[in-house]
Amino acid sequence: SVLLYQKPNRDICQSGTSLKIQCVADSQVVSMFWYQQFQEQSLMLMATANEGSEATYESGFTKDKFPISRPNLTFSTLTVNNARPGDSSIYFCSSHDRGPYEQYFGPGTRLTVL
Amino acid sequence: GQQVQQSPASLVLQEGENAELQCNFSTSLNSMQWFYQRPGGSLVSLFYNPSGTKHSGRLTSTTVIKERRSSLHISSSQTTDSGTYLCALASTSMQQGTGSKLSFGKGAKLTVSP
Repeated sequence: SVLLYQKPNRDICQSGTSLKIQCVADSQVVSMFWYQQFQEQSLMLMATANEGSEATYESGFTKDKFPISRPNLTFSTLTVNNARPGDSSIYFCSSHDRGPYEQYFGPGTRLTVL
Repeated sequence: GQQVQQSPASLVLQEGENAELQCNFSTSLNSMQWFYQRPGGSLVSLFYNPSGTKHSGRLTSTTVIKERRSSLHISSSQTTDSGTYLCALASTSMQQGTGSKLSFGKGAKLTVSP
């Protein structure tokens, strides 16, 4: 299994500011994923981040708004640029073993944008 | 359209009753995973079940690939089972060489009364 840690647990920020969410794995993992979950809704995949390459974004998510870094095999950072109240949600990072690909999730970062 | 349909959306039980949650998927399956989301938001992986039946305590997961469905059965429900249950599909069409992305159902909110 993979243990994932996220920092911060929660954050409150003003509209127009940027904030970073960090995800750390307790072992080296090839892929890290970022998900967004609005209140009372399901999780939506934002992007896939592999070490040493640009993140791949899903429809509706852009690099300019949500830049992701993946500098090594245990770490990833999601940035929310120009935060808006509509970005208020929980952000999760996830990853999986080399096989059979059971996925594990970090505890989530609850973001509130005022 | 939505790759994963989850039902029911909500369920209210008396303690001791059983619950059956369903997921139907419209694309080819690589894996199916069931999660429990605590009221605080964190996710707990209940089952990684690409096919067949798995048991864990009072929980049973059954995935039937040919019928494109997976179920989660909770027997003798307890008030502590209350929360949201999510199924998530990784399909072969979504699989990259480095791992699979998950497509989540909308969740089933379970309330168990004493």
